Amino acid sequence: DVQMTQSPSTLSASVGDRATITCRASQSIDSWVAWYQQKPGKAPKLLIYKASTLESGVPSRFSGSGSGTVFTLTISSLQPGDFATYYCQLYNFYPYTFGQGTKLEIK
Amino acid sequence: EVQLVESGGGVVQPGGSLRLSCAASGFSFSDYWMHWVRQAPGTGLFCVSRINNDGRITNYADSVKGRFTISRDNAKNTLYLQMNSLRVEDTAVYYCIRGNRVGVIPAGFDFWGQGSPVAVSS
Repeated sequence: DVQMTQSPSTLSASVGDRATITCRASQSIDSWVAWYQQKPGKAPKLLIYKASTLESGVPSRFSGSGSGTVFTLTISSLQPGDFATYYCQLYNFYPYTFGQGTKLEIK
Repeated sequence: EVQLVESGGGVVQPGGSLRLSCAASGFSFSDYWMHWVRQAPGTGLFCVSRINNDGRITNYADSVKGRFTISRDNAKNTLYLQMNSLRVEDTAVYYCIRGNRVGVIPAGFDFWGQGSPVAVSS
């Protein structure tokens, strides 16, 4: 099975900062990566699919990049509502694998 | 508006059974793969099972294979997860999810239910 290693596990940042989260796959997975945001007590929300395609309605400050084994989610200028937990997901072969999550907290 | 509403969760003893249901509305249910994902308390996300649009193809995580059964009734726009021989480690919030697609290309999970808590405890 392909493993997804997500880092960092916690990221402290301030409003207006740029934040970058990385997922590394244990083998090449083309671009079959999605990114989700989850707030406490809520279901995750799809942000990005196919590594870099922004889901409809998601603000343009969110972007995804990468292919092969290394993928990144970037938030260009953090807003108060962006402080949440983020997950990457590999969806090429089932069962799809999620990263361990990155908690983005206010510094 | 797409809506996925789960029901059927609760507290059960180890070895017991539960059946989760997910009522779908706001989209053509029979056109989409559907999924169950769970999240144990304070932990990450884990894919449990999926089913194709007509119900003929099903897949399971190894840890639930032989114990859980996914099914769907397209006439009722409802997804199910029958969970038997439940274990303490099955304790989690279970989410019903629509598989996103662009044409026929998978594109992540675009709509999630609110989650149905399942607690397995003696």
